[in-house]
Amino acid sequence: KAGVTQTPRYLIKTRGQQVTLSCSPISGHRSVSWYQQTPGQGLQFLFEYFSETQRNKGNFPGRFSGRQFSNSRSEMNVSTLELGDSALYLCASSLEGLSEAFFGQGTRLTVV
Amino acid sequence: AQSVTQLGSHVSVSEGALVLLRCNYSSSVPPYLFWYVQYPNQGLQLLLKYTSAATLVKGINDFEAEFKKSETSFHLTKPSAHMSDAAEYFCAVSDNAGKSTFGDGTTLTVKP
Repeated sequence: KAGVTQTPRYLIKTRGQQVTLSCSPISGHRSVSWYQQTPGQGLQFLFEYFSETQRNKGNFPGRFSGRQFSNSRSEMNVSTLELGDSALYLCASSLEGLSEAFFGQGTRLTVV
Repeated sequence: AQSVTQLGSHVSVSEGALVLLRCNYSSSVPPYLFWYVQYPNQGLQLLLKYTSAATLVKGINDFEAEFKKSETSFHLTKPSAHMSDAAEYFCAVSDNAGKSTFGDGTTLTVKP
């Protein structure tokens, strides 16, 4: 079966702009989580959606938001981009919270 | 609250030598524990998981990990390192609410 698909793979944006990243989970998976990965901070949890509801949230400012659609696809939005938002953004899907997460290849966001 | 500590951000071994990557966790509930591997510019891939069955868990590519409740540890081992094992490894813990917490990662270097 198809894996987790994230689009786009690479993105370059300017400070102050906003960006939307997309994640299509594995068919049948209802939980989608987002992570930010940077060399300095490692892998940090952004939020998790389950059946269109945000179930868990990490410690990120309100500029970071997300949503999940009825088909479990999820989008993440970052507004008013800052240089420090440059990172690899990873999406992971799972059947339920206790099962292992399957990761996409990530979206590499560069803010200039 | 749950947390994961990976001891040693960098580990270097010779090809054919034993690999030992250390992970300690804290959790207020019986944990679900995972090891993931990440190759450059890729997402994370599950190596193995512990879900309260056997304490010695075998994963892919001859990796295994032993759950020791008394030591709150879940160290990852492989008897003989291969050059292709060079990557970053993450230990993670999940609670029964579906939230995963990842360690800071350990970069494994394999010398010829």
